[in-house]
Amino acid sequence: DADVTQTPRNRITKTGKRIMLECSQTKGHDRMYWYRQDPGLGLRLIYYSFDVKDINKGEISDGYSVSRQAQAKFSLSLESAIPNQTALYFCATMAAGTDTQYFGPGTRLTVL
Amino acid sequence: GNSVTQMEGPVTLSEEAFLTINCTYTATGYPSLFWYVQYPGEGLQLLLKATKADDKGSNKGFEATYRKETTSFHLEKGSVQVSDSAVYFCALSDRTGGSYIPTFGRGTSLIVHP
Repeated sequence: DADVTQTPRNRITKTGKRIMLECSQTKGHDRMYWYRQDPGLGLRLIYYSFDVKDINKGEISDGYSVSRQAQAKFSLSLESAIPNQTALYFCATMAAGTDTQYFGPGTRLTVL
Repeated sequence: GNSVTQMEGPVTLSEEAFLTINCTYTATGYPSLFWYVQYPGEGLQLLLKATKADDKGSNKGFEATYRKETTSFHLEKGSVQVSDSAVYFCALSDRTGGSYIPTFGRGTSLIVHP
């Protein structure tokens, strides 16, 4: 079984809709991250969390919100989706005191 | 601030050719350096890492040496295979501030033809 899972894997939605992307992990890591990947731009950090009570904005947090429901779960929401949020979204985890990240398989989101 | 610059792709090679993907970095502290690989349809996974100057990371025939004097961490492989076709990301993680927020390059696509 995968250690970091993301649901859904693919989603097509319309402008203005609210969307939630979910991430779960069985690695027992405290730290969790959300990135988006766009062609030619690499990975850009949206939000990150170092424990359940800790939420931090990344470089491109506008238009997004997150919820850390438990150590193992970290959800990303788009309150009102817009077409330029069409991208591949990745969740990642990291154990405290280490520096290697573990990535989920990604969610491909298309906003029409 | 921290930054990572890697060569633009795509890099197109024939099977068994020699591979180099250049990566240079800027960091204020003492970073660890990484290469992650993303195979088609998958998330990133760690390929190799080095934690201090002159360390060499290696895995699956790939190697990279942490060069502090040139602030570089170039990825090399002596003989690529079709199965190496993927996107390769250079990254650093600066431990100085204790925040462990990795900084990624933009990725380099590698295409290996039979």
